[in-house]
Amino acid sequence: QKEVEQNSGPLSVPEGAIASLNCTYSDRVSQSFFWYRQYSGKSPELIMSIYSNGDKEDGRFTAQLNKASQYVSLLIRDSQPSDSATYLCAVNGASNDYKLSFGAGTTVTVRA
Amino acid sequence: GAGVSQTPSNKVTEKGKYVELRCDPISGHTALYWYRQSLGQGPEFLIYFQGTGAADDSGLPNDRFFAVRPEGSVSTLKIQRTERGDSAVYLCASSLHDRNTEAFFGQGTRLTVV
Repeated sequence: QKEVEQNSGPLSVPEGAIASLNCTYSDRVSQSFFWYRQYSGKSPELIMSIYSNGDKEDGRFTAQLNKASQYVSLLIRDSQPSDSATYLCAVNGASNDYKLSFGAGTTVTVRA
Repeated sequence: GAGVSQTPSNKVTEKGKYVELRCDPISGHTALYWYRQSLGQGPEFLIYFQGTGAADDSGLPNDRFFAVRPEGSVSTLKIQRTERGDSAVYLCASSLHDRNTEAFFGQGTRLTVV
């Protein structure tokens, strides 16, 4: 079982709609969770971090964390063509594990 | 600098040659990470430095790969006897500390072994 799994995509949404991205992780003691956006040919760009259960909102982005279900999600509201990218879920593990484990990413296409 | 800087942006080398990839982290960031990303995959951890020491090198694929950070700032990833399978984008990231803090990536070095 992979450490971090994301819905495979690609995900196509119309402009103005909500894009919903899901991520599950296997290490129950994981403590930190991040979403990165990666445009084609570019490096990952951090867009959200979340550390405790519940929702965290930043502009059009909302991250949701449920540690009991080992699940983290990202919602993109009012999707724009500029949101078209691959979204990577990253998880930082146990107390002595400093590295990030990444999912394979979900590619989102926002159609005008 | 304002962000993580990696050089070169692109490197083409012949199979069997030695290459060095450089990373200059965000000023003041003590933690530095190297990752490797293949097409269609998420970044894969290689090695992590806290200050000058390699705190975790468990992701290095074999002994052809080595990394240093002698003064706790700039890091160099060294690959000996390159193989075609080493072709990938090598990403460097830094964070203020090592725990629960946000890591920021450089633009990467695209390595192609021919």
